Amino acid sequence: SQELEQSPQSLIVQEGKNLTINCTSSKTLYGLYWYKQKYGEGLIFLMMLQKGGEEKSHEKITAKLDEKKQQSSLHITASQPSHAGIYLCGAVILIQGAQKLVFGQGTRLTINP
Amino acid sequence: KAGVTQTPRYLIKTRGQQVTLSCSPISGHRSVSWYQQTPGQGLQFLFEYFSETQRNKGNFPGRFSGRQFSNSRSEMNVSTLELGDSALYLCASSYNYGLGGNEQFFGPGTRLTVL
Repeated sequence: SQELEQSPQSLIVQEGKNLTINCTSSKTLYGLYWYKQKYGEGLIFLMMLQKGGEEKSHEKITAKLDEKKQQSSLHITASQPSHAGIYLCGAVILIQGAQKLVFGQGTRLTINP
Repeated sequence: KAGVTQTPRYLIKTRGQQVTLSCSPISGHRSVSWYQQTPGQGLQFLFEYFSETQRNKGNFPGRFSGRQFSNSRSEMNVSTLELGDSALYLCASSYNYGLGGNEQFFGPGTRLTVL
């Protein structure tokens, strides 16, 4: 959606390298979610962030929420082939006075051996 | 526990027809959400049901409707199909409801092709 911008759109990294994906909202965030998707398949819920400054980690994936910048970053440490896929951020924002769930366009991550 | 199941997995319809997709949530989950995913528009939220009531709704025309049964299973209906309705339709279940504010578990999706 236009309200949620993800960058980069695609990313190719060498196995073992670190990487960061960003998700920026043009509106106030009421919750920020990260998902992973293998091409053409269902989504896997990774993490939910709801408070400014919140940081969560799961295995080698860490997500942070910067409330002031209306931005979240997803950081993968020592990337592995299993990290390859499409990463999507979703957020609850206010649109015309109502809370709506919107998604970024996704970041396609390729891990080269 | 069995995961979220969606049927059918693939469907081909022609313009003007209607289609019904089914989603069975994880046992014990009472919330079911539906999403549409296309290459052009990305992932978009359709609606969310909890205890047989629609709790949240995205910005889709009235041709898109849904319902939830007492056993939490949900169906989504699209009437008067258009070419642009071709998409992967994803269903997700969670224990509680609230616009993604709960850990959601997704099904594999139904890929609908409209000719």
